[in-house]
Amino acid sequence: QSVLTQPPSASGTPGQRVIISCSGSSSNIGNNYVYWYQQLPGMAPKLLIYRNNQRPSGVPDRFSGSKSGTSASLAISGLRSEDEADYYCAAWDDSLSGPVFGGGTKLTVL
Amino acid sequence: QITLKESGPTLVKPTQTLTLTCTFSGFSLSTSGVGVAWIRQPPGKALEWLALIYWDDDKRYSPSLKTRLTITKDTSKNQVVLTMTNMGPVDTATYYCAHRHPLHGGMDVWGQGTTVTVSS
Repeated sequence: QSVLTQPPSASGTPGQRVIISCSGSSSNIGNNYVYWYQQLPGMAPKLLIYRNNQRPSGVPDRFSGSKSGTSASLAISGLRSEDEADYYCAAWDDSLSGPVFGGGTKLTVL
Repeated sequence: QITLKESGPTLVKPTQTLTLTCTFSGFSLSTSGVGVAWIRQPPGKALEWLALIYWDDDKRYSPSLKTRLTITKDTSKNQVVLTMTNMGPVDTATYYCAHRHPLHGGMDVWGQGTTVTVSS
């Protein structure tokens, strides 16, 4: 049971916009930054979004993050087949004194 | 360019102690704000944070595994070592180490991971 809650799956067709949600509490998302990671099949995770809505260099601007209260979301616009991956949200948890992850969302591009 | 690589046994027996080494390059673990984390992923399951060590030797552990974990660093060798005692089948997973960015706190570079199977 993950501390952060994500839908297990999401899907969309090429070109569409997809939103993946992440729900937490005041001890994590509510008072700390949110990070998003993309994990392509068979690969290590890759940082996609940091500090709620910042993109590391090299990450396309099709990916965007937002946060409101104790929830966050990752939006992917102009969906492409290569976006098919697992997506994880993460945040520092003050009660646990460490980072916590969501259960992951498997994105399928139909 | 920052790189990290995990190494250790691929197979351990139940009750044994696992020792994993993360060897990195491209940064110093004596630089303020830098950290190295260990994260694992059981087959088909989600990521789980295990431990984190900072440049100043501050150490954090997952509360659920704290009694079994020890994380240490050797700055001169550019290595971070994680030990996990009393291994069991549920500990079968891919284990990753990752660089914690000193400014924004995200894990911005990950190793390729090493798969550990616990079986007799």
